[in-house]
Amino acid sequence: EAGVAQSPRYKIIEKRQSVAFWCNPISGHATLYWYQQILGQGPKLLIQFQNNGVVDDSQLPKDRFSAERLKGVDSTLKIQPAKLEDSAVYLCASSLLLGSYNEQFFGPGTRLTVL
Amino acid sequence: AQKVTQAQTEISVVEKEDVTLDCVYETRDTTYYLFWYKQPPSGELVFLIRRNSFDEQNEISGRYSWNFQKSTSSFNFTITASQVVDSAVYFCALIYSGAGSYQLTFGKGTKLSVIP
Repeated sequence: EAGVAQSPRYKIIEKRQSVAFWCNPISGHATLYWYQQILGQGPKLLIQFQNNGVVDDSQLPKDRFSAERLKGVDSTLKIQPAKLEDSAVYLCASSLLLGSYNEQFFGPGTRLTVL
Repeated sequence: AQKVTQAQTEISVVEKEDVTLDCVYETRDTTYYLFWYKQPPSGELVFLIRRNSFDEQNEISGRYSWNFQKSTSSFNFTITASQVVDSAVYFCALIYSGAGSYQLTFGKGTKLSVIP
């Protein structure tokens, strides 16, 4: 079974530029999560989707971050414009169901550096 | 508020030594799950174990064992006879139900270095 796929693996941009990350969850997983992991810290949830609907985006900085999950499969996370403090690893995860305590399966992440 | 504390930032051990990683959590929920994840240098978080709040039995899986004590709100992880491949950052996490979502709250992680 293929795992969670993410691309790109690394991205370096200047501040105020835009960037987008892509995630393909495990086939059949209804729930998709985006996390931000700043160096030396644990991942922090940004947004959670159930199929193509947003379940929780309370910690997403909506003035600059946006995410979508068209057709309930792949998802894209965008930052526009980027700030220095956005430098982090962005992790995508998926789980089989919402409404349960199933483990989340994580992708390899995208390491973003904002200069 | 939900919180997970991993007081040990970094630990170094010599190969074959036993090592325990501490995890203390806070939650007002009566139903919750605790997790341990491993993050090797490649960056991908690897699921190790899930334990629900009603099951305080200790668990052993090969060289890994977990001690869950509700009385002290702790969920500690022990690696027996450590190996170099165990070198990674280990995260303890808590999942709870809030406003319809099931959020993982992570600790800051403990970086384990196993020296050959």
